Amino acid sequence: ETGVTQSPTHLIKTRGQQVTLRCSSQSGHNTVSWYQQALGQGPQFIFQYYREEENGRGNFPPRFSGLQFPNYSSELNVNALELDDSALYLCASSRGQITDTQYFGPGTRLTVL
Amino acid sequence: AQSVAQPEDQVNVAEGNPLTVKCTYSVSGNPYLFWYVQYPNRGLQFLLKYITGDNLVKGSYGFEAEFNKSQTSFHLKKPSALVSDSALYFCAVRPQTGANNLFFGTGTRLTVIP
Repeated sequence: ETGVTQSPTHLIKTRGQQVTLRCSSQSGHNTVSWYQQALGQGPQFIFQYYREEENGRGNFPPRFSGLQFPNYSSELNVNALELDDSALYLCASSRGQITDTQYFGPGTRLTVL
Repeated sequence: AQSVAQPEDQVNVAEGNPLTVKCTYSVSGNPYLFWYVQYPNRGLQFLLKYITGDNLVKGSYGFEAEFNKSQTSFHLKKPSALVSDSALYFCAVRPQTGANNLFFGTGTRLTVIP
């Protein structure tokens, strides 16, 4: 196991609702990246936080937002949920250097009805 | 733009036979390359990476991968497949400059037949 934890494991929401997903990074890591993995697809980069600041963003609308806390844990918030937001949301932690490996948590499965 | 292609959605191999999972990439400049494996209802597990140096990279569980710059490929290999190797394999690339995120392929499902 990587030491990266995510909560909750599963979540069911309805369209228009808001959701918050949480990630605890591995000890010694100061960078958290969030990815969305739709069914049958590879993970797509949402954004990354390095030392509490956003450090890059993928092609996702502003209703996807995040935070990183002083202990380097992180939250992903999604507002105005759409059916297409149904996916496995993965967070990965690393030490922040571009050569570093990103270690993934088990993911949160979000279903939007 | 960065991209990764995994040309085979499915690879079947008999237990004990060598396996290869293919990956080609497109990136500006030199790449950092990664392989991850995903078991059902699990996150991605890191197998190996190429940063620099020897083109043959050895990783976890007997897996290795060969970086071929001229063919822009990074194929994953294992000399003798196990049934427990059956899983979904993802190749990923990160350019040496720019954003510090991974670009993933669409994955290859490996089935090892007993």
